[in-house]
Amino acid sequence: GAGVSQSPSNKVTEKGKDVELRCDPISGHTALYWYRQSLGQGLEFLIYFQGNSAPDKSGLPSDRFSAERTGGSVSTLTIQRTQQEDSAVYLCASSWGWGMKTQYFGPGTRLLVL
Amino acid sequence: AQTVTQSQPEMSVQEAETVTLSCTYDTSESDYYLFWYKQPPSRQMILVIRQEAYKQQNATENRFSVNFQKAAKSFSLKISDSQLGDAAMYFCAYSRRDDKIIFGKGTRLHILP
Repeated sequence: GAGVSQSPSNKVTEKGKDVELRCDPISGHTALYWYRQSLGQGLEFLIYFQGNSAPDKSGLPSDRFSAERTGGSVSTLTIQRTQQEDSAVYLCASSWGWGMKTQYFGPGTRLLVL
Repeated sequence: AQTVTQSQPEMSVQEAETVTLSCTYDTSESDYYLFWYKQPPSRQMILVIRQEAYKQQNATENRFSVNFQKAAKSFSLKISDSQLGDAAMYFCAYSRRDDKIIFGKGTRLHILP
């Protein structure tokens, strides 16, 4: 597609449920990043993929968070047993890969945990 | 650890005037990149301008320019001839090569008609 797409746009869930957030990067982009934007915390890095492997998972806040990428394209961020503090906007970005390439962001998924 | 600081949570500027957003950062690296991203209410993060640390010349993109002071670790954004469409949250950001972006807390810019 023309840009990075994310789905769903908004998600409301109950505390304790699992959620899956999807990111579809720009075609041909080998690098994919997940960030979280929450009130008072700004934008935080979560995880980085190069192809299907994740060389940097240092930003995942707990073992309830996991992500995978298949076929070097679509990525899914899964949050298990959601907590209210997980409420945030989850942003995905992609870039061409090695070297400092510009990261292009998707519109984000707004997650609200009740 | 690298940090990015934006000391102005909010700013306002009259339409057609010039405004400067401040940013300082801390790093021990010599090879890095600095960015200004714009986030309008649509949530879409849009790259405004980027600067490679090894370049002495300040980057410019139409009405947007930066003042990059490497020794002072300062990276301010100047917006000339401000337009209503410039109203947004602006994030200063830092990255090493092949690495994640570290963002500042943001400055909300209001454009007064």
